Amino acid sequence: DQQVKQNSPSLSVQEGRISILNCDYTNSMFDYFLWYKKYPAEGPTFLISISSIKDKNEDGRFTVFLNKSAKHLSLHIVPSQPGDSAVYFCAASARTGTYKYIFGTGTRLKVLA
Amino acid sequence: DVKVTQSSRYLVKRTGEKVFLECVQDMDHENMFWYRQDPGLGLRLIYFSYDVKMKEKGDIPEGYSVSREKKERFSLILESASTNQTSMYLCASSLSQVFLEAFFGQGTRLTVV
Repeated sequence: DQQVKQNSPSLSVQEGRISILNCDYTNSMFDYFLWYKKYPAEGPTFLISISSIKDKNEDGRFTVFLNKSAKHLSLHIVPSQPGDSAVYFCAASARTGTYKYIFGTGTRLKVLA
Repeated sequence: DVKVTQSSRYLVKRTGEKVFLECVQDMDHENMFWYRQDPGLGLRLIYFSYDVKMKEKGDIPEGYSVSREKKERFSLILESASTNQTSMYLCASSLSQVFLEAFFGQGTRLTVV
């Protein structure tokens, strides 16, 4: 049972345009969400996070939006750059319990120059 | 800077061998995790540990065990390696009781032949 889902396995965007990556979750106990970026043969690196008390968090070119009623979050990258080409994972965690992180299946973003 | 170090980048082992993957973190984090990454399946949690000698099964613990004798070190053990355990293995650590990101190691690409 996939608790965190990324339904788009891949996405191609022109350089300078907006990239929008989506993530859905099923467990209403999740209250902290993260996005990671991963290059081949490297470990994931943290990008941005959001707690359930907010609906938006911004850090430079990256903005994460959270819609709790729809159990949906999205990552916006503006403007997209070729160096953003990577696999993006969303992850979720719950304040109760042991703070483990559940990851989605990932979306491969390709930014075309 | 948090550092999570995995002992090997690449490993090739034979079917039936006992395999040890080692992970060390230098930030006094309580939580440590082992994930595996496979194409189309994302990052799946194998085991995690929230304290020395404490462990909990993740989503896919079959065929694996773990050891955490010291706070900074978390080992993943493949009791009898099989070809379906060929994968990228990722170790991570995080603080407990606060919502912060998990930090990942660089990954170990394990091939079982």
